[in-house]
Amino acid sequence: QVQLQQSRPGLVKPSQTLSLTCAISGDSVSSNSATWNWVRQSPSRGLEWLGRTYFRSKWYNDYAPSVKSRISIDPDTSKNQFSLELNSVTPEDTAVYYCVRDGGYSWPQFDYWGQGTLVSVSS
Amino acid sequence: SYELTQPPSVTVSPGQTASITCSGDKLGDKNSCWYQQKPGQSPVLVIYRDDKRPSGIPERFSGSNSGNTATLTISGTQAMDEADYYCQAWDDTTYVFGPGTKVTVL
Repeated sequence: QVQLQQSRPGLVKPSQTLSLTCAISGDSVSSNSATWNWVRQSPSRGLEWLGRTYFRSKWYNDYAPSVKSRISIDPDTSKNQFSLELNSVTPEDTAVYYCVRDGGYSWPQFDYWGQGTLVSVSS
Repeated sequence: SYELTQPPSVTVSPGQTASITCSGDKLGDKNSCWYQQKPGQSPVLVIYRDDKRPSGIPERFSGSNSGNTATLTISGTQAMDEADYYCQAWDDTTYVFGPGTKVTVL
């Protein structure tokens, strides 16, 4: 059974960097069939995919156009986890952030979700 | 950018059938999936690859996808099915979610 454990919630000041980690058990961040994603949810934006990292002989990343200029998602193979960094945050980045496994090799299949982390951006 | 649309709400009587639609340009050419989310909980995958049910999802949940519309059908709806439902598709290099449909069992 795959489990995703997210880091604690936090308060981030505007213009600073939001940082979250997601620890994986029951699978490997280096899996050749899964991708590892960050999704956020807010009342104004609904569910919004932010990006992913995955390994297929080498590491790849894809990012949503809306955040591409200020996001980084990185694997940590030594700890079997992956992280999210979102720079230059504004109050519009206030949301519940989820880490998610996509277990479908050729089609979307977000089959395991973390518990969610509420991040508030406020001075 | 690619967009998916869903009705904001659907109301169904217990034991009846609820149908939730998701519309997008040539959605039938893409693999769609559906998620159920109850208040305070993370979303749960209920349909993937248009019509496949993950293990543990009741048979009353079914899906279809053709043309510009994907449909999630809940047959014999139960009170426990009251939740928000989101469709999802992959477009080029981006995952896209629909805005969600609130299903009320009344």
